[in-house]
Amino acid sequence: GAGVSQSPSNKVTEKGKDVELRCDPISGHTALYWYRQRLGQGLEFLIYFQGNSAPDKSGLPSDRFSAERTGESVSTLTIQRTQQEDSAVYLCASSSSGEPIPRYGYTFGSGTRLTVV
Amino acid sequence: QKEVEQDPGPLSVPEGAIVSLNCTYSNSAFQYFMWYRQYSRKGPELLMYTYSSGNKEDGRFTAQVDKSSKYISLFIRDSQPSDSATYLCAMSEGGGGADGLTFGKGTHLIIQP
Repeated sequence: GAGVSQSPSNKVTEKGKDVELRCDPISGHTALYWYRQRLGQGLEFLIYFQGNSAPDKSGLPSDRFSAERTGESVSTLTIQRTQQEDSAVYLCASSSSGEPIPRYGYTFGSGTRLTVV
Repeated sequence: QKEVEQDPGPLSVPEGAIVSLNCTYSNSAFQYFMWYRQYSRKGPELLMYTYSSGNKEDGRFTAQVDKSSKYISLFIRDSQPSDSATYLCAMSEGGGGADGLTFGKGTHLIIQP
């Protein structure tokens, strides 16, 4: 596609339920990133994939969070047993190499707005 | 102390004014500095990047980095209502993606017609 596509755009879930967020990167982009943006806060880096490999998962907030990527395409971010503090916008970005800057830059999706009630 | 400090605003200026947006940071290892613009309910888009210290100009936008003071700025000349958005500074130690980018909270800018 022409841009990074994220689904769903909005998700309201009950506390304790599991949710799965999806990201379709730009075709041919080998690198993929997940960020979390809480209300009034800056973007918080969660995880980076080069291909389907994530060399460092330490940015994930807790063991309730997991992420995977199929080849160099779609990625899913799964949050188990959701808590109210998980409410945020989850943003995905892709780039054509492991260098997000400067030649290629990130291209962000519009995000998934998650609300845990 | 947070790694990147940015005044959240809102900053309201009349159309045509020069806008100055700033961030300070504490990590002296940061070498790559970026400014992103984010419209409501959209993802951030890259506006400017600078490597190390110095200035960079692109149309109405000028980015400045002063590593000695750990201070970066974005200037917008002849501001337009369409410039109304949240501006996020971001920085990184290396050019690789594995360490991600460290963002400020963003400054909400309003250009009054």
